[in-house]
Amino acid sequence: DIQMTQSPSVLSASVGDRVTLNCKASQNINKYLNWYQQKLGEAPKLLIYNTNNLQTGIPSRFSGSGSGTDYTLTISSLQPEDVATYFCFQHNSWPLTFGSGTKLEIK
Amino acid sequence: EVQLVESGGGLVQPGRSLKLSCAASGFTFSDYAMAWVRQAPKKGLEWVATIIYDGSSTYYRDSVKGRFTISRDNAKSTLYLQMDSLRSEDTATYYCARHYSSYMDYWGQGVMVTVSS
Repeated sequence: DIQMTQSPSVLSASVGDRVTLNCKASQNINKYLNWYQQKLGEAPKLLIYNTNNLQTGIPSRFSGSGSGTDYTLTISSLQPEDVATYFCFQHNSWPLTFGSGTKLEIK
Repeated sequence: EVQLVESGGGLVQPGRSLKLSCAASGFTFSDYAMAWVRQAPKKGLEWVATIIYDGSSTYYRDSVKGRFTISRDNAKSTLYLQMDSLRSEDTATYYCARHYSSYMDYWGQGVMVTVSS
């Protein structure tokens, strides 16, 4: 199984900051990497698919990059409504696997 | 508008069975693969199973193989998850999701399953 490791597990930043969340796969996942945002008490929401494609309706301050085993989600200017847990997810091979999440907080 | 509404959750004893349903609307259900994803209390997300658009292929995580069965009724636009031989570690919120290509783009609000004596 492909293991997905996210870092940091908790990130605290100020409104307006540029924020970077990391996700590392245990093997090459060929850019089949998605990012989900989950707010407290809500279902996950797709933000980015296939590394760098912004899902319809998602603000442009969210972007993704990466290749091989290393991937990044960037929020260019953190907003209060971005408080959530962010999960990466690989769809390169079965079984499909999620990272353990990064909890994003506002300072 | 795409809507996915799960039902069928509840409290069940270990070793017993439960069947979840997910009613879909707002898209052509028979054109899409569908998936179940679960989340144990205060834990991360865990993919459980996927069924392709016509039901001819299914995929499961190892821990549920042989105990859970994913199925669909395209005439009713409904996805199912039959869960047998339930264990305490199956306790979670279960989400159904539309599985489009290499991502799950729409999710239901989830249904809670508690396995406890």
